[in-house]
Order: sequence, then structure tokens, then C-alpha cells
Amino acid sequence: DAKTTQPPSMDCAEGRAANLPCNHSTISGNEYVYWYRQIHSQGPQYIIHGLKNNETNEMASLIITEDRKSSTLILPHATLRDTAVYYCIVRVGDMRFGAGTRLTVKP
Amino acid sequence: GAVVSQHPSWVICKSGTSVKIECRSLDFQATTMFWYRQFPKQSLMLMATSNEGSKATYEQGVEKDKFLINHASLTLSTLTVTSAHPEDSSFYICSAKNRMDEQFFGPGTRLTVL
Repeated sequence: DAKTTQPPSMDCAEGRAANLPCNHSTISGNEYVYWYRQIHSQGPQYIIHGLKNNETNEMASLIITEDRKSSTLILPHATLRDTAVYYCIVRVGDMRFGAGTRLTVKP
Repeated sequence: GAVVSQHPSWVICKSGTSVKIECRSLDFQATTMFWYRQFPKQSLMLMATSNEGSKATYEQGVEKDKFLINHASLTLSTLTVTSAHPEDSSFYICSAKNRMDEQFFGPGTRLTVL
């Protein structure tokens, strides 16, 4: 019973920015937005998280709308190694995964 | 970042046998550990949550007598799949949460039951 909606798949050209959307219209005030990714046959890798402010780290940027009902993960310069399933999770306790978005970065 | 390891990384067993999977937090103490299962082309499904020294809390539909979880220390949790059958073949992933509420995932264990 994931609380997020993501497109099932997206393509991106290598070197371009990848913008992955996530809808979380029922998010509660104390729930954080987390992003993880999973490369085939590996454990999930943490990317970034935020509450209401936009966040940036060495991997990505997270843009959260003012009403917090949606967010976008931005990979500024996608590489072939960024091909993975990306999961957007809203969380205050357990980490529960939805279906995610399968991002394919193409040469 | 913090490291969580799993052992073994893959295992093949015969139907009816039991298999133990270990999950260790290598450089931090895990107040809570989680076990997930992932079937091919599907997402991760939370199986159970365990706190050190207490009984695990299982998700609805997960048989606690089949999937035995022991969390004997702040750095080690084990999942034992008892009387394994082919339908238990899956990718099992653990995660560990530290005192700062950060959650880190292990690399997963692929179980194949013949």
C-alpha cells in the first residue's frame, strides 16, 4: 500500500538531465520524501531525502512542491550507470516500496 | 555511508531444507532491522521488522513459523527460511536503521530452492 505514484518507465539520453516525477498527494505533515534506486540484482541505494525544502547532494537534486503533494528527482547529467529502478517513498516509520520508475539511460 | 552486509550472497538448497541468511551492520549499531523479499520484476515487499532483543513484527500474510527472525545483537539479524519450497525462491534483502533514523540496505541474498 505504497503512498506514491510514479511512471513505470522513462528513457533519458546520456549526458542529459533525468527528471523523475513522483506524486504523493496524501502525504502527511511529518512524512519525509525519500528516493532510492536499485540496480539489477543489488540492494537499494539511498539517493536523497527531504521534508519540504529542496535538497541537493553529490548524486541528485530533490524538488518538492510547495503543497508537498509531488516531487521531482533530478539527475543533472545522466550516465549509463544511472540505469536503474528509482523508488520514491514517503516515510515516517517503515520504508515501504512502490513499483518505482525504470529509468533507462541511452547512449 | 554506513555498510550493511548479507551472507550468503546466493544459496541453492533442496526442497524441505532450512536456510539461514545473516544480516550485519558493519560500522554502526542497528536499533531496528528489516527483512524484505523481492520476486522477479516486482518491487520489494516488507516481510518483518525486528528490534534487538525482542520478537519480530511480521507483515500480514507472512508466516512467522516459516520465516524465523532472530535479532540477538545490535549488529546482527538472521532470517531462517524453514522447510523451504520452490515458491520461496526469491531475492531477500535486509536493511538496518541507526539511532539517527537512517536506513541502509544490504546487497541482498538470492535463494533458489530446487
